[in-house]
Amino acid sequence: TQTVSQSDAHVTVFEGDSVELRCNYSYGGSIYLSWYIQHHGRGLQFLLKYYSGNPVVQGVNGFEAEFSKSDSSFHLRKASVHWSDSAVYFCAVSAINNNAPRFGAGTKLTVKP
Amino acid sequence: DAGVTQTPRHEVAEKGQTIILKCEPVSGHNDLFWYRQTKIQGLELLSYFRSKSLMEDGGAFKDRFKAEMLNSSFSTLKIQPTEPKDSAVYLCASSFGGSSYEQYFGPGTRLTVL
Repeated sequence: TQTVSQSDAHVTVFEGDSVELRCNYSYGGSIYLSWYIQHHGRGLQFLLKYYSGNPVVQGVNGFEAEFSKSDSSFHLRKASVHWSDSAVYFCAVSAINNNAPRFGAGTKLTVKP
Repeated sequence: DAGVTQTPRHEVAEKGQTIILKCEPVSGHNDLFWYRQTKIQGLELLSYFRSKSLMEDGGAFKDRFKAEMLNSSFSTLKIQPTEPKDSAVYLCASSFGGSSYEQYFGPGTRLTVL
């Protein structure tokens, strides 16, 4: 079964700063990698995903993520954050054999004005 | 289009009770997932259905947790009997089917077991 690790439980930045949220995975086969966002009291919403091709994928609201096979990573980045980006971000890994996605523990991003 | 619907949004149960949580997936989706979310454990898979067939279940949850998909547009999660450690948010998600499709999540049911 695939596993995913998000090393930072909390990240705090100021509005306009850039941010990188880290995700590392473990699985021996082919996978899909995704990021989701969860605002307080709501369900998760899809941001972006990667399977193959260009290792940098673009998502909604200015988010992008970069896949690295050598580092087993899929870090999420945003060049300039807004206060509305404050939320919990989850990295997810889905094996190609179609088992259910597994999620990391989440990183809570706080954007201060 | 309607998203994933979960009812109730909040549930309070006494220890030992049986509770049933409900989920309606996005119309046309073939995959349905149940997750439990806590601050300590994060999102834990409870059950995964494809076209109403059980594909995976969370091994640690087999004894008191039972998810069913009665038809393609409705699923239930029964917890019997409930224990205080079951207090969590229960999330239902659906997708078109297969690893390549993103999941659509419902707002969750917050369960408190006293």
